[in-house]
Amino acid sequence: DARVTQTPRHKVTEMGQEVTMRCQPILGHNTVFWYRQTMMQGLELLAYFRNRAPLDDSGMPKDRFSAEMPDATLATLKIQPSEPRDSAVYFCASGLVGGRAGELFFGEGSRLTVL
Amino acid sequence: DAKTTQPTSMDCAEGRAANLPCNHSTISGNEYVYWYRQIHSQGPQYIIHGLKNNETNEMASLIITEDRKSSTLILPHATLRDTAVYYCIVSLGTGNQFYFGTGTSLTVIP
Repeated sequence: DARVTQTPRHKVTEMGQEVTMRCQPILGHNTVFWYRQTMMQGLELLAYFRNRAPLDDSGMPKDRFSAEMPDATLATLKIQPSEPRDSAVYFCASGLVGGRAGELFFGEGSRLTVL
Repeated sequence: DAKTTQPTSMDCAEGRAANLPCNHSTISGNEYVYWYRQIHSQGPQYIIHGLKNNETNEMASLIITEDRKSSTLILPHATLRDTAVYYCIVSLGTGNQFYFGTGTSLTVIP
C-alpha cells in the first residue's frame, strides 16, 4: 500500500537545537500539508504546498519554523532554534488535487520533545 | 480556522448505529463536507465526503441537510475499533486550506 512516510518517528532534543522533520508524500500526489498536534491546541495547520509551491504558511511561527519541498518526493519542516513549547506530534499529509477530492493521506507523525 | 461545531464527546453501544452531528452554518456553495477520524495517536484517516447529496461508502454514510448547514455521519454498526475522535471539516478540497476543529470523541461501549 502507498503511504506517507515521516522521519524521525521520535525526536528528543534540547532547547536551542535545530530540528528537521522529513516527509515523503505518496508518489504522484501534488499537495502536501504539515500539521502540529498538541493536547491543548488540537490539530493545527502549519503550512501546505501544491505542486511544491507553498500556498499558505500563515500557521507557522515565521521566526523559527520553515517548510520546504526540495523536490516532489520530499517535504521538510525545520525548527531553529527549538523551544519546549514546540513539543508536539507533527503530521504530514499528502493528497491529489482533482483526484478523490478530499482524501488526504496522513503519515504516522513525528513526536518531538524539546527539553 | 475551523468552520464547524461538533459535540465534544459521545457514547454508543457496540452494534448500534453511531450518529455524529456537525454544524457548518457558514458553509459556502462550493465547499465540501469531509469527515476524518483519528484513532489514538495515529494520523487522521479519511472516512467520507460530500457536497450536497447524501453519500455512502463501506465505512459510513453522510447525511447533509438540504440547506447544507449541518450534516450527520452515521456508522451503521459501531464496533469497539470505531472508538476515535471524529472530525468534521469544511473545505474547497485537498488543494486548499484544510482545518481540523476539536472533533467529537466517540466511545463505543461493549
